Amino acid sequence: EPEVTQTPSHQVTQMGQEVILRCVPISNHLYFYWYRQILGQKVEFLVSFYNNEISEKSEIFDDQFSVERPDGSNFTLKIRSTKLEDSAMYFCASSERGRATNEKLLFGSGTQLSVL
Amino acid sequence: ILNVEQSPQSLHVQEGDSTNFTCSFPSSNFYALHWYRWETAKSPEALFVMTLNGDEKKKGRISATLNTKEGYSYLYIKGSQPEDSATYLCAWKSGGSNYKLTFGKGTLLTVNP
Repeated sequence: EPEVTQTPSHQVTQMGQEVILRCVPISNHLYFYWYRQILGQKVEFLVSFYNNEISEKSEIFDDQFSVERPDGSNFTLKIRSTKLEDSAMYFCASSERGRATNEKLLFGSGTQLSVL
Repeated sequence: ILNVEQSPQSLHVQEGDSTNFTCSFPSSNFYALHWYRWETAKSPEALFVMTLNGDEKKKGRISATLNTKEGYSYLYIKGSQPEDSATYLCAWKSGGSNYKLTFGKGTLLTVNP
């Protein structure tokens, strides 16, 4: 069965540094998402992306964050200047049709980001 | 604030026991309710997506029901096995959002052999 893959599985960075988290969604999927889970808290929506533009974003997704689909396969999340509170597990997900009522998301296994 | 709550937070059962947990969500502007199963170090795996009031879905020993009028969903596991041990997440999609899922905190199930 096809999988969403994320790299790296763990990333440690210093506060203020830029990080790029990478994802390869399912090849025939058109809608892409980033979610995150801070330890002990709920999984939170960050952003959705379709047709090379952001379709929806949360209040968490401020100017420090950006997403890109640089080629036909990768989907990246960049954090420009990391803060301690950005430490979390970041999940990438994709779906085929986006807003279809019964459509599920396929998730990657996450990148654990630790900001020191 | 539109909250999704799950209970209990964690649950320990013996192999062979049947169990259930609850997800409550806003009943207004409902669009869909998702259940995911998440094992440590793996991807969250979709179990069910439910959209209609009264929906019941089943996958092997796991089933789920949906009440959109009162804003709750139950997940049932019949005859729990150690491999059912995981965190079970529910997520609500509102009609006001095209793409965003709002998650509960999850129920951590541990099945002891």
